[in-house]
Amino acid sequence: GAVVSQHPSRVICKSGTSVKIECRSLDFQATTMFWYRQFPKQSLMLMATSNEGSKATYEQGVEKDKFLINHASLTLSTLTVTSAHPEDSSFYICSAREGGKRTDTQYFGPGTRLTVL
Amino acid sequence: GESVGLHLPTLSVQEGDNSIINCAYSNSASDYFIWYKQESGKGPQFIIDIRSNMDKRQGQRVTVLLNKTVKHLSLQIAATQPGDSAVYFCAENEDSGAGSYQLTFGKGTKLSVIP
Repeated sequence: GAVVSQHPSRVICKSGTSVKIECRSLDFQATTMFWYRQFPKQSLMLMATSNEGSKATYEQGVEKDKFLINHASLTLSTLTVTSAHPEDSSFYICSAREGGKRTDTQYFGPGTRLTVL
Repeated sequence: GESVGLHLPTLSVQEGDNSIINCAYSNSASDYFIWYKQESGKGPQFIIDIRSNMDKRQGQRVTVLLNKTVKHLSLQIAATQPGDSAVYFCAENEDSGAGSYQLTFGKGTKLSVIP
């Protein structure tokens, strides 16, 4: 199956600093990429959807100025958590989809564990 | 939007037994569902999907059943193995407008296989 990678897999940072997470589709071109956040023992919550070359669409309650998303190419999307605080500590997972049809499979990355001290 | 939920948060089964994980959905317009498996510390992995024009679909050791009348979805795992231990999510692929679709995940069921 298609492969989606994320980097870094784990990051620890101080409160107030910014952290960038990369998401890459390795063997296909992703028309759309998605960013999710998952707190312990909870489900995945969609944060935003991005299409290559367009501004990301954020879900209600997600601050776009805090979670900056850049989808600069068909194989790369980045999520930057600006001025991170301990409550931003979570498991961030990206997903990529090649086509725009409902039945096109969404492939998930391995996730990035963010810990803000 | 309407939610996709699960009946059982945890499930323990003996190795070799069959597992059944259930999911209820509330959006009667939903027509495409996916089951994902998430192992600890990893991203979700696609298992199997089903469209609303079907009531059953089989994969390798897995079967998904869809009952549109009661808006219920289930995942059956045959001869459960220790490697099946994970959290299983059902997801609905919803129309987010302007021809776009996005996944809405259920709460998840943790499957523990007893050796």
